[in-house]
Amino acid sequence: KNEVEQSPQNLTAQEGEFITINCSYSVGISALHWLQQHPGGGIVSLFMLSSGKKKHGRLIATINIQEKHSSLHITASHPRDSAVYICAVHNTDKLIFGTGTRLQVFP
Amino acid sequence: EPEVTQTPSHQVTQMGQEVILRCVPISNHLYFYWYRQILGQKVEFLVSFYNNEISEKSEIFDDQFSVERPDGSNFTLKIRSTKLEDSAMYFCASSVSRGRTDTQYFGPGTRLTVL
Repeated sequence: KNEVEQSPQNLTAQEGEFITINCSYSVGISALHWLQQHPGGGIVSLFMLSSGKKKHGRLIATINIQEKHSSLHITASHPRDSAVYICAVHNTDKLIFGTGTRLQVFP
Repeated sequence: EPEVTQTPSHQVTQMGQEVILRCVPISNHLYFYWYRQILGQKVEFLVSFYNNEISEKSEIFDDQFSVERPDGSNFTLKIRSTKLEDSAMYFCASSVSRGRTDTQYFGPGTRLTVL
């Protein structure tokens, strides 16, 4: 069983839609990361959070430590948001990654 | 803005050959990591490195792998005798510290193809 599970695996949306990606984990963590990976392969850190909620522009990330669950929301989605979004948990020295959610936003 | 750099961007090698993947972490960072991503699969942790020592390694990081910080700026991953299954994207990352206060910054990756 994967230690970090994401859903959905694939997501398509029309421009302007509100998007939610979910992440559940089963291990102890010190923090949770949301990352973005573009088709070229590069990985960019979007958020690191250990409690509550963070907002950056149109992106919002929340975490519920008791339920071991986090969500990434994108408001007013845009085609440039198309990417793979990855949840990763910080466990001791390492990050444990989810399998990613492939998001495609169409104009 | 400071960034992690990796060279080469793409490395093609024959099975059984040694390869060295190079990374230059962000200059004031103290913790260094290697991850790999086999095509179509999730990113996997290989090794973390701090104070010139491996601090944690995964089951993947066997005797064929080694890491080194040969000078004050470079951080290398060596694969002694490459296998077909080593074909993957290898990402270097660095951070100021570890744990809950830490953000890891990723390099652009090196795509390793083993023929």
